Amino acid sequence: QKEVEQNSGPLSVPEGAIASLNCTYSDRVSQSFFWYRQYSGKSPELIMSIYSNGDKEDGRFTAQLNKASQYVSLLIRDSQPSDSATYLCAVRNSGGYQKVTFGTGTKLQVIP
Amino acid sequence: NAGVTQTPKFQVLKTGQSMTLQCAQDMNHNSMYWYRQDPGMGLRLIYYSASEGTTDKGEVPNGYNVSRLNKREFSLRLESAAPSQTSVYFCASSSGQGLYEQYFGPGTRLTVT
Repeated sequence: QKEVEQNSGPLSVPEGAIASLNCTYSDRVSQSFFWYRQYSGKSPELIMSIYSNGDKEDGRFTAQLNKASQYVSLLIRDSQPSDSATYLCAVRNSGGYQKVTFGTGTKLQVIP
Repeated sequence: NAGVTQTPKFQVLKTGQSMTLQCAQDMNHNSMYWYRQDPGMGLRLIYYSASEGTTDKGEVPNGYNVSRLNKREFSLRLESAAPSQTSVYFCASSSGQGLYEQYFGPGTRLTVT
């Protein structure tokens, strides 16, 4: 079992719709969770971080964390073509050296 | 405030050649990391430095060495490049506190022929 699992996609949504990206993780005592956006040929850009159960909203983005079920999700409201990118889920484990494990990413395509 | 910078942006090496990738951050972060990213493999940690003066191996350290030159700079050296080291290399930094959010540099695209 991979430590952090994401559906590779592509996930296609029409412009203006809600995009829902999901991620599951295996380490029950993981402590922090992150979503990064990566445009083709560019570096990962941190867009959301969350550490407690529930929802965290920032503009059009909402991160949702459910530690009991070991999943974290990212909702993008009013999706725009500029949101088309690969979204990486990352999890900080309980290891003493701040280890962060990244998923392989979900490619999102927003269709105009 | 440039964040995390990396040099060079692109490099082509022949098998057996050596090179050093440079990384610097101006966010006064304690921790720095080197990752490689390959298609279908995601980001894999090569080496990290939790604080100035310390370095440790990550998931895929073979064939690499690192130096934490000072708080700002963390370099990655390939002593004898191999085609399997063809990849995109990212440096990242983190305050080393709180949520341990990592911020990435622009990357170096390395091809070994």
